[in-house]
Amino acid sequence: AQSVTQPDIHITVSEGASLELRCNYSYGATPYLFWYVQSPGQGLQLLLKYFSGDTLVQGIKGFEAEFKRSQSSFNLRKPSVHWSDAAEYFCAVGTGGGNKLTFGTGTQLKVEL
Amino acid sequence: EAQVTQNPRYLITVTGKKLTVTCSQNMNHEYMSWYRQDPGLGLRQIYYSMNVEVTDKGDVPEGYKVSRKEKRNFPLILESPSPNQTSLYFCASRTGAFSNQPQHFGDGTRLSIL
Repeated sequence: AQSVTQPDIHITVSEGASLELRCNYSYGATPYLFWYVQSPGQGLQLLLKYFSGDTLVQGIKGFEAEFKRSQSSFNLRKPSVHWSDAAEYFCAVGTGGGNKLTFGTGTQLKVEL
Repeated sequence: EAQVTQNPRYLITVTGKKLTVTCSQNMNHEYMSWYRQDPGLGLRQIYYSMNVEVTDKGDVPEGYKVSRKEKRNFPLILESPSPNQTSLYFCASRTGAFSNQPQHFGDGTRLSIL
């Protein structure tokens, strides 16, 4: 069965600093990979997704992620964090054509001004 | 406005009293799904539906039922709720048979089972 690990429960960065959120997955075939963001009291919003092709994918709000098959990773990055990026971030792997989604446990991002 | 609407948003009820959480989307999406979110566990998929009358289990289907009689609606049914089903529930929908489209999430339903 597939699984997703987000090893960092909480991360604090200063506004303007760079950010990297880690995600490792376990799945036997080529996965569909996603990053979602959840602001307090809100549902989830898709930041970006990877299915195939270029392993560096660009998303909304200035985020990008890189798929590394050899490391089973799909880390999320942003060069300069804004205070409005404070939220919880979830990595997810899709199987069954991407219709069955397994989420990681999330990383809570705090941004210090 | 494109949206996924869940009702109720909040519910406190007692063990064993059947309840239904409704989910409706106005985007003519084929795919719909239910998740529960618990602290430290992230989101876990309960059931999903590829289209009308087509449903399948996610990772945590025990204790839940779903139906998809109409394309726009995907209700989640708890026949005999128990305290371990206290959670935050999200419904989501997406167009197409394949997952290369983003899922649109509702605002969530917070259930407390006493």
